Amino acid sequence: NAGVTQTPKFQVLKTGQSMTLQCAQDMNHNSMYWYRQDPGMGLRLIYYSASEGTTDKGEVPNGYNVSRLNKREFSLRLESAAPSQTSVYFCASGLGGPNTGELFFGEGSRLTVL
Amino acid sequence: GENVEQHPSTLSVQEGDSAVIKCTYSDSASNYFPWYKQELGKGSQLIIDIRSNVGEKKDQRIAVTLNKTAKHFSLHITETQPEDSAVYFCALGSGAGSYQLTFGKGTKLSVIP
Repeated sequence: NAGVTQTPKFQVLKTGQSMTLQCAQDMNHNSMYWYRQDPGMGLRLIYYSASEGTTDKGEVPNGYNVSRLNKREFSLRLESAAPSQTSVYFCASGLGGPNTGELFFGEGSRLTVL
Repeated sequence: GENVEQHPSTLSVQEGDSAVIKCTYSDSASNYFPWYKQELGKGSQLIIDIRSNVGEKKDQRIAVTLNKTAKHFSLHITETQPEDSAVYFCALGSGAGSYQLTFGKGTKLSVIP
């Protein structure tokens, strides 16, 4: 059972470079999420997709874009990376909204922007 | 927006002792209170949750209590074991139609054998 799979697990970027974090789930979940986690902070929602074909901003969307490619896949793109985007990024999925049931998280992608 | 304070930030207990983590919130509209466990190098995993129409919920060694009047909820782990060592996050949400959870800053629990 793969669950939620994120790639890459580690990435180092220079300021201004772009990259895409990939996420795929095999649980037939409707909703998918991208969170970031910084030292001493809880998880903060960047973007979410309530269902295939829809995306919405979360708490900290600036500097990011997302694509819900199909029901399985939800990608996060940094168009011009900044040091403030150094963080650990987690993708998650759920049957409905997070208030209706469990979120399943990937193992995280550690991004460093120099 | 919603705000949640989580305490303590670190907690060390002897194996077999109990551990308690507390979260306080301000938004009375909050009605869903999950707890997630994050082991080193892994994603977070739901361990227990409670809704505002319930005061307490228990699952084996883990329990959550909710005091709506005082606006706080707590995670209780009894008979702690080394595998309970992890970072625990409380979270809160409001309404089934909401897709946003507000997470606490986390508590690093260390269980000393």
